[in-house]
Amino acid sequence: DVKVTQSSRYLVKRTGEKVFLECVQDMDHENMFWYRQDPGLGLRLIYFSYDVKMKEKGDIPEGYSVSREKKERFSLILESASTNQTSMYLCASSFYESSNQPQHFGDGTRLSIL
Amino acid sequence: QKEVEQDPGPLSVPEGAIVSLNCTYSNSAFQYFMWYRQYSRKGPELLMYTYSSGNKEDGRFTAQVDKSSKYISLFIRDSQPSDSATYLCAMGDAGKSTFGDGTTLTVKP
Repeated sequence: DVKVTQSSRYLVKRTGEKVFLECVQDMDHENMFWYRQDPGLGLRLIYFSYDVKMKEKGDIPEGYSVSREKKERFSLILESASTNQTSMYLCASSFYESSNQPQHFGDGTRLSIL
Repeated sequence: QKEVEQDPGPLSVPEGAIVSLNCTYSNSAFQYFMWYRQYSRKGPELLMYTYSSGNKEDGRFTAQVDKSSKYISLFIRDSQPSDSATYLCAMGDAGKSTFGDGTTLTVKP
């Protein structure tokens, strides 16, 4: 089975802090994604990556950056956390772009910014 | 208008009922179709994946895709309390997926 592991299930940080969310997948997937999920707004794509050291902006990239130094690991960075970034963050992975294979998700990180 | 519209629910049914969950979409480029199940405070779990029009069955679950009408459905037979969750439809093209907002289902014993 595909395993996508997010480093923290729950995280509490303070306004202005730099926050790192880590995601690792064990299926040698090329594609990796970061979403946030909020009630009434559904899943919104923040950033995605098709390969090591590659990144593409999603629908809501403002206030976030990403890093992909190794194929299996994709990090989401909140440069200066703000209260409106309190949310459930979900990482996903899938096979390469044209394979038309579904995404597999981790269990999420519930992040609270105080 | 959103590319994917999902019946919002919430939906509450008695145990043993047949459940129908539905989504419509506008982008004819979508090539593959998924249903995810998400329990409270967990990530979405892939339930069904199909690449073509027609029906796909897996146990009590049947996914139906009608590309001509741009309409997909998930049917759950003999629903169980353990089926209580939020169900997300998703559609994909070239590695990216677009998700519905989810329908929350409660199956009462």
